Amino acid sequence: ETGVTQSPTHLIKTRGQQVTLRCSSQSGHNTVSWYQQALGQGPQFIFQYYREEENGRGNFPPRFSGLQFPNYSSELNVNALELDDSALYLCASSFGRARTDTQYFGPGTRLTVL
Amino acid sequence: AQSVTQLGSHVSVSEGALVLLRCNYSSSVPPYLFWYVQYPNQGLQLLLKYTSAATLVKGINGFEAEFKKSETSFHLTKPSAHMSDAAEYFCAVTVIEGTYKYIFGTGTRLKVLA
Repeated sequence: ETGVTQSPTHLIKTRGQQVTLRCSSQSGHNTVSWYQQALGQGPQFIFQYYREEENGRGNFPPRFSGLQFPNYSSELNVNALELDDSALYLCASSFGRARTDTQYFGPGTRLTVL
Repeated sequence: AQSVTQLGSHVSVSEGALVLLRCNYSSSVPPYLFWYVQYPNQGLQLLLKYTSAATLVKGINGFEAEFKKSETSFHLTKPSAHMSDAAEYFCAVTVIEGTYKYIFGTGTRLKVLA
């Protein structure tokens, strides 16, 4: 059983550009969540997808969007990048949507916006 | 609103000494609580979780936590610190707001002194 993987590991963008981050969930996991972790902070919930539909969203603007695919992969898209978007982006997968379900985190993508 | 508070952003202990990392929660419903560890430049790894079964929860790497409803606490302990325990530790509570998501604390960085 493979773990959660994310790509790329690092990337640098300039303000105003668009970026796509990718995540591959563990096989059989129907739920994927995305988090933003600013330097020195705890992760902040962006949104969650369950069986390819958005299932919940945190306090992030619409320029943060996502997709989940049938092959357990997912994407986080961020448009019109701002300097404050610089952070570690984590995806986490779980089997279901129960509160007791453990979320398994990937290693993250570190995004730097200049 | 549900939340967690981690007291002490930095904790230093000597190798072999007791590790105590504090987490207090606020919840209007029975909480489900988690402790995660994050090593530098890595994602989060689950240490243990409380899901209303036993109040004393044992996790990986010798860590355990005790749920105390009267104190609204879920402190993480380890009897004897090892150099490899140096990392950032996050307490989290799950909330249901449309879907379930983690609310993370701000983290505690553990330093182990030789």
